[in-house]
Amino acid sequence: AQSVTQLDSHVSVSEGTPVLLRCNYSSSYSPSLFWYVQHPNKGLQLLLKYTSAATLVKGINGFEAEFKKSETSFHLTKPSAHMSDAAEYFCVVSDLATDSWGKFQFGAGTQVVVTP
Amino acid sequence: SQTIHQWPATLVQPVGSPLSLECTVEGTSNPNLYWYRQAAGRGLQLLFYSVGIGQISSEVPQNLSASRPQDRQFILSSKKLLLSDSGFYLCAWTPSSYEQYFGPGTRLTVT
Repeated sequence: AQSVTQLDSHVSVSEGTPVLLRCNYSSSYSPSLFWYVQHPNKGLQLLLKYTSAATLVKGINGFEAEFKKSETSFHLTKPSAHMSDAAEYFCVVSDLATDSWGKFQFGAGTQVVVTP
Repeated sequence: SQTIHQWPATLVQPVGSPLSLECTVEGTSNPNLYWYRQAAGRGLQLLFYSVGIGQISSEVPQNLSASRPQDRQFILSSKKLLLSDSGFYLCAWTPSSYEQYFGPGTRLTVT
């Protein structure tokens, strides 16, 4: 069975400083991994995805994530936080070997606060 | 390009009343469709998914039901709402078995 753990429920950063959101996963096969962002009362927006190609994945808005199989991690980073990055972020795993219709397993979410 | 719509955007309903939320996808055919609920302070819970017209799978037994009368239409319903049905309902679709794309959501408050 697949699962995902977001290690921090809340992260507070100053504008212009780096952002690190940590995610560990468990999967029986070769997973697909995603990061989504959700602003208040909005739908989820796809930031980036890993689907067994390059292990360093670049996404929108300056975010990137690195797939580390040995550590079963998929941490999300951004070199310089912007006020507009304040939102909730979800790490997601999908394992096509066990769920051919693409079932997503969501992490609990990390709330990011950006201070001026 | 593909777009996904949900309506209504917000809804306030009394306990015991019926519910109908609609989701439509444009610009694609035969998508996989999903209904999620996001309760306050909690993560996303998958409610239903559909791989084709008339094909509905339920993940969690509850007071809700889903239907897919057309290829790109997905409806979430209830005959009698409960207070615990309050939440943010999200519809999503996938062009393949990889990423999912989410609609703008419906905020349901049951009073």
